[in-house]
Formats: sequence, C-alpha cells, structure tokens
Amino acid sequence: KAGVTQTPRYLIKTRGQQVTLSCSPISGHRSVSWYQQTPGQGLQFLFEYFSETQRNKGNFPGRFSGRQFSNSRSEMNVSTLELGDSALYLCASSLGQLGGLTSYEQYFGPGTRLTVT
Amino acid sequence: KNEVEQSPQNLTAQEGEFITINCSYSVGISALHWLQQHPGGGIVSLFMLSSGKKKHGRLIATINIQEKHSSLHITASHPRDSAVYICAVNGNQFYFGTGTSLTVIP
Repeated sequence: KAGVTQTPRYLIKTRGQQVTLSCSPISGHRSVSWYQQTPGQGLQFLFEYFSETQRNKGNFPGRFSGRQFSNSRSEMNVSTLELGDSALYLCASSLGQLGGLTSYEQYFGPGTRLTVT
Repeated sequence: KNEVEQSPQNLTAQEGEFITINCSYSVGISALHWLQQHPGGGIVSLFMLSSGKKKHGRLIATINIQEKHSSLHITASHPRDSAVYICAVNGNQFYFGTGTSLTVIP
C-alpha cells in the first residue's frame, strides 16, 4: 500500500503571498490531519478533515484553511504569508476520526518544508 | 500551559544502555502515541496505547491512565536508535510533547 504523499516537498515563498499544500492519504483512510512543526513551537495541530468536513481546529489564525475532497485528498492553504509561517508542514492520515471513542493510528507524510522570505 | 510534558529533552547514551523517556499529560485522552522522527523530518508511529504495555522488538511502551503518565523504554540501545522521540496524546485533537533528542554513541 502506498504511504501518505505530500506535494510539493519544498517551497519558497515571499511575505504576503499565499500557498497551497497537498496531501494524499493512504487508500481507504478518511481522516487527514495537518500539523505545523517549527524549532520554537515544536509540533502543533492545525486541523483535521474527515469525510470532507473539518472536525477539529487548533489555535491558528484564519489565514490557515483547508479542505478535503471526495477522494479524501486534502489541501491546506495559507494566505498572506508571514515570516513566522516558515515551517515543516506535515499531514497524517488515519482510518477514523481523531477524538472518537476508538483511536486510530496516524500515518505521517514526509512533509512540505515552507520557507517564507 | 503544555498539555503534554516530556523528559528529558536531550539524552546521550552509550551503545547497549537501557533508555527511558517519560511523558506526562493533563488532558483526557483516548490514546497516547509514541512517535519517532529522524533528521529530515519523517515521522513514524511506534506505539499507540490506551492501557497497559506494548512491546516491539527492543522497544517497550507503558501507560498508567490513573497517573496520566507513559514511558518509552529502549533496551540494548543502538546508534540507529538516534532520533527524536515524541509523545502525543489523542484527545479532541492531537497534543504533542516537545520531544526527546536521543543520541546513542557507539
């Protein structure tokens, strides 16, 4: 089974621009979660999509948004980029939804390294 | 306020040593995860625990739900175990510890 894939792997953008990152989950997985990792803050939860609906959201400004398509692929968008948005963005897929009565193992993609200049 | 606290932050061990990494959490959870991250960024899930103890090869993870505490043990450590180990808990979202950077010296 193919793993979680993320595109692009590396990206350089300028302050004020916007960016869209893509995540393709493992076949059959319906949940996709997004995370930001920085040296200062570590790993932080951005949001989770399950069956095309955002189910949970972390403490990030509205400039961070996402969506999920009917094939479970997900995109994350960051508008009006700031220098502090430079980070490794990871997505993870799982069979079921986070926070439910049943827990599901998360499978992480390789990440997209975003640099904002 | 950190929902997940991990210790130690950094750990250097000689090859063959027994290693313990600790994790405490303050939120209600359905499961606790131990993750491994190698340089370059890729994260691998090592364990998912909701009670008791699990073992994979030289790795053992335990959790005490009442005390809200988990430990990851590595027996007979090897240089290839060098990585960052991250504790994460599964509540209504994922909360992560700050990670433990482990270096095993030959």
